[in-house]
Amino acid sequence: DTGVSQDPRHKITKRGQNVTFRCDPISEHNRLYWYRQTLGQGPEFLTYFQNEAQLEKSRLLSDRFSAERPKGSFSTLEIQRTEQGDSAMYLCASSRIQRESHLYGYTFGSGTRLTVV
Amino acid sequence: SQQGEEDPQALSIQEGENATMNCSYKTSINNLQWYRQNSGRGLVHLILIRSNEREKHSGRLRVTLDTSKKSSSLLITASRAADTASYFCATDAERNTGFQKLVFGTGTRLLVSP
Repeated sequence: DTGVSQDPRHKITKRGQNVTFRCDPISEHNRLYWYRQTLGQGPEFLTYFQNEAQLEKSRLLSDRFSAERPKGSFSTLEIQRTEQGDSAMYLCASSRIQRESHLYGYTFGSGTRLTVV
Repeated sequence: SQQGEEDPQALSIQEGENATMNCSYKTSINNLQWYRQNSGRGLVHLILIRSNEREKHSGRLRVTLDTSKKSSSLLITASRAADTASYFCATDAERNTGFQKLVFGTGTRLLVSP
């Protein structure tokens, strides 16, 4: 297992365009998280999946954002009509099931850096 | 929103010295975790301390937790240039529904000079 993979690593897009990011979690992890990180700040929670169910979305996730996790495997995060304020690092993480989660941390991917010009 | 703050925001030391970073948080927690992030990269899990633990060690890392003060500290002993990174604390406050998410602090940027 090579850990959590994110694609692409970098994305430059023009304002108003749509972008989609992909995350492949560790295969035995049934929880998947998306975070956003701006320069000089800690990651901020966006949304969370347990298997294929999206259980919570942050208020940061406006209606231009949508995330899916079909079949409880990989996940996609789409941003429609991008704005300059969307420029950030988008991080994906996965973790083990709840009863073990107090023993282990999250495994993060390397992130997708989005620049909206 | 961030759960808490870390102190100092930036720390510059020489190789071989110890580095101490502090984290304060706001709500009751199940556990507190420390992560490291090299510039432009993802986060790497370093250590997890549960709310009923007061101190934990892992290699050159020592973490303490004071739930009465809602604070934690991370000590890196005998620092190396390769320890240069940003360090984040994150709290896990599981709700009654069982939902778990990590809430991160603002981070400490550590620079270790050779």
